[in-house]
Amino acid sequence: DQQVKQNSPSLSVQEGRISILNCDYTNSMFDYFLWYKKYPAEGPTFLISISSIKDKNEDGRFTVFLNKSAKHLSLHIVPSQPGDSAVYFCAASKSGANNLFFGTGTRLTVIP
Amino acid sequence: DAGVIQSPRHEVTEMGQEVTLRCKPISGHNSLFWYRQTMMRGLELLIYFNNNVPIDDSGMPEDRFSAKMPNASFSTLKIQPSEPRDSAVYFCASSLDGPAIYGYTFGSGTRLTVV
Repeated sequence: DQQVKQNSPSLSVQEGRISILNCDYTNSMFDYFLWYKKYPAEGPTFLISISSIKDKNEDGRFTVFLNKSAKHLSLHIVPSQPGDSAVYFCAASKSGANNLFFGTGTRLTVIP
Repeated sequence: DAGVIQSPRHEVTEMGQEVTLRCKPISGHNSLFWYRQTMMRGLELLIYFNNNVPIDDSGMPEDRFSAKMPNASFSTLKIQPSEPRDSAVYFCASSLDGPAIYGYTFGSGTRLTVV
C-alpha cells in the first residue's frame, strides 16, 4: 500500500509564477520528509527536507510546508524557472529507520 | 567523487533470460539501497544493505529477484528468469550510516526492458 501519495501526476506553470507540489502520507510515524528532483536519464537528487518539529523550511526559491494534522506537505517554488522542469518526488522516513518511502512523483513543466 | 555508479545504463533482454544489474556506491557510504521506478508505484524500495548485510528485503517482488553485496564497494541485483513485467528503471543509492534524514545519493539508473 502506498504510504506516500502524490495525487497530481503533472503540473504546468508559467515562468515566474509559483509552483505548488503536494504530497500526502498515511503513516503517522513518519517524522522526516524530503523532496527529490529528477531530470530525465538521471537519478533523483536531494532538494530540501523538513523535520516534523517544524512546519516550514526555506532554501532560496524552495519552501516546504508541513501540516502534521492533515498529514500533508507541499513544496513551493517561487519564482519558477524553466530549469525547474523535472519530476519531483516526495519521500518520508521514521526516526531511526534507514529507508525512505517515496511517492509516485509529479512532473513539473515550467513554460517560458 | 564519481558518485554512485550503475551499469549497464540500458539493458534489453528476452523473457526468461538472466539479468544482472551492478552498483558501486560512494566510497565511505555503508548503506546501499536498490529501488525500482514504475509509473504506478513510483520509487519502491526492493532491498537495502547496511555494512554489506541485507537488512530489509521485504520489497523484493518474488524469488526471481536476488541481491548481493560481497564487499563495501559493489552490489548486484539479479533477476532470473526475467519477465516483461520486470521492465522498469532500477536505481541504486547509497548513504552514510544513520537515519534517512541525511538523504541518499542515487545513481543514474539502469533502464531494463524485457521483451
